Amino acid sequence: EDQVTQSPEALRLQEGESSSLNCSYTVSGLRGLFWHRQDPGKGPEFLFTLYSAGEEKEKERLKATLTKKESFLHITAPKPEDSATYLCAVQPREYNTDKLIFGTGTRLQVFP
Amino acid sequence: DTGVSQDPRHKITKRGQNVTFRCDPISEHNRLYWYRQTLGQGPEFLTYFQNEAQLEKSRLLSDRFSAERPKGSFSTLEIQRTEQGDSAMYLCASGRAGDQPQHFGDGTRLSIL
Repeated sequence: EDQVTQSPEALRLQEGESSSLNCSYTVSGLRGLFWHRQDPGKGPEFLFTLYSAGEEKEKERLKATLTKKESFLHITAPKPEDSATYLCAVQPREYNTDKLIFGTGTRLQVFP
Repeated sequence: DTGVSQDPRHKITKRGQNVTFRCDPISEHNRLYWYRQTLGQGPEFLTYFQNEAQLEKSRLLSDRFSAERPKGSFSTLEIQRTEQGDSAMYLCASGRAGDQPQHFGDGTRLSIL
């Protein structure tokens, strides 16, 4: 069964303290892996798509990487405005489906 | 780019009533998706459309749920005979093609009394 597991469930960082979020997945074939951030009361906001092992994407203080079994979201020198829930999702290759299978997210708090 | 718009933002109803939500996608996107999210969980896929054709439905979508996209633009999601377990955030997203990013609206929060 296709599955996504994110760790840790929650993470508290001091401003400037870099860290990484993990997304482990099992899927019959990977069409794409997607990272989103979600603020309270809002819908998920797209961050990155990764398609193949070894691929990396960067945006401001965030960098996403992909292996055959997991993805990492590295946060460098975070600021309080980076506080949010970060969601990882995989899109299976089977049946050419568009559906995304999400993990439960990592709640990140960055305090001054 | 005005983003994905959902209406209403909040809906409170009594158990057993019918409810309908509307989603207006980003205009140049031909694919439209519905997800459901409960507290502390990630979104769960419900169904999606390419233009007006409904291409896939999740097993989560019981016969009390129906979704339409009659003219290939906006979409509606109707829940008949609502139950307590239907309380959730209903999210709509749109996108250009299969493996491209899905852009989400801010959802409709449904509360069943």
